[in-house]
Amino acid sequence: DTAVSQTPKYLVTQMGNDKSIKCEQNLGHDTMYWYKQDSKKFLKIMFSYNNKELIINETVPNRFSPKSPDKAHLNLHINSLELGDSAVYFCASSQGAGARIGTDTQYFGPGTRLTVL
Amino acid sequence: QKEVEQDPGPLSVPEGAIVSLNCTYSNSAFQYFMWYRQYSRKGPELLMYTYSSGNKEDGRFTAQVDKSSKYISLFIRDSQPSDSATYLCAMIGSSYKLIFGSGTRLLVRP
Repeated sequence: DTAVSQTPKYLVTQMGNDKSIKCEQNLGHDTMYWYKQDSKKFLKIMFSYNNKELIINETVPNRFSPKSPDKAHLNLHINSLELGDSAVYFCASSQGAGARIGTDTQYFGPGTRLTVL
Repeated sequence: QKEVEQDPGPLSVPEGAIVSLNCTYSNSAFQYFMWYRQYSRKGPELLMYTYSSGNKEDGRFTAQVDKSSKYISLFIRDSQPSDSATYLCAMIGSSYKLIFGSGTRLLVRP
């Protein structure tokens, strides 16, 4: 069974379009995250939700809007896509939002490879 | 300057070699240190976790933290072709945000 799943796996789109990436976790976790990994493999946090409440909101263009309809889902909507948005986007989840081993260990999804043409 | 620096590699070693992967960091508030392994086209998975300074061993893997030097290492003994992946160091401080290094690509040749 897939613990953290993302759809779609690949997304190719034109500049200026609006797209969404969906994430679901079946681990019963309270906290979910979105990360962006650029072409140099640098992985950086974008957002984090705990019990559907936004707790981390990094300096990300407001074209990116996360939405958490329930604890098991965290979607990412991107408006007016730009070339620089091309990256792999990873969803992750953890039970807590701190740094405790086990409780707060983050489990990552397989990633969504976004290519903006 | 990035908060966490990691040599991107690639690092190519023969099967059976001892591998040493390293990261340096600048934020003295980091207290929890992790190593993630990422296979090609997959998400990162937690490999090792240490709190504060010291060593931790798990099978063929040893994680080492030297807070005085702001330097962490991951050693892999008897490396196998299946260890070929990108290894990302990560750390957490008071903000509880996971800060990653850029990853070192490791290739273990049969």
